[in-house]
Amino acid sequence: GENVEQHPSTLSVQEGDSAVIKCTYSDSASNYFPWYKQELGKRPQLIIDIRSNVGEKKDQRIAVTLNKTAKHFSLHITETQPEDSAVYFCAASFYNQGGKLIFGQGTELSVKP
Amino acid sequence: DARVTQTPRHKVTEMGQEVTMRCQPILGHNTVFWYRQTMMQGLELLAYFRNRAPLDDSGMPKDRFSAEMPDATLATLKIQPSEPRDSAVYFCASGLSHPSQGPSYEQYFGPGTRLTVT
Repeated sequence: GENVEQHPSTLSVQEGDSAVIKCTYSDSASNYFPWYKQELGKRPQLIIDIRSNVGEKKDQRIAVTLNKTAKHFSLHITETQPEDSAVYFCAASFYNQGGKLIFGQGTELSVKP
Repeated sequence: DARVTQTPRHKVTEMGQEVTMRCQPILGHNTVFWYRQTMMQGLELLAYFRNRAPLDDSGMPKDRFSAEMPDATLATLKIQPSEPRDSAVYFCASGLSHPSQGPSYEQYFGPGTRLTVT
């Protein structure tokens, strides 16, 4: 069945360092991979996404890479800041299932000043 | 700044009572998703609709949960009877699917309803 595994579950970095979160997916038909950031008590917010015809996408300090052969994708945050502290979720979606998202278990990122 | 809205934001109820949660998708969006979030299970998809028609509700316990879209601006999730294990945050999300281009993929979440069943 469809499954998304996310690692690590917690990540602590010093301000200014980089953070990397990795996800693997089970269904090779997956073709859309978003990342959501959720602050405590708030809604998940889409921060970046990538489609299966692209290997890398960047938006300022965040970037996502996709390896379709290995069925994994990663979120990279450079020059981390305390406001990057949150829970980050990866997800995979399937074109022929109306945009249904399967989420990873989440990574709690803590950026220490 | 168009946003998904949900009501109520918080609900405390006793076991056995009926709970109804409401969602207003972003105007013009035709796909609505219901998710449940708990510490143990993370974000789980319960059901989703396109153009008000249910596409998949396999994630939902059918004996007590029901989801509907009475019109394009309102989606409801009902639990009857509620149980303590239903305590969670319930999120609604909306997106846009084009007839010829398929789903736009991006989903925008509402603020959630925090449900506590005692």
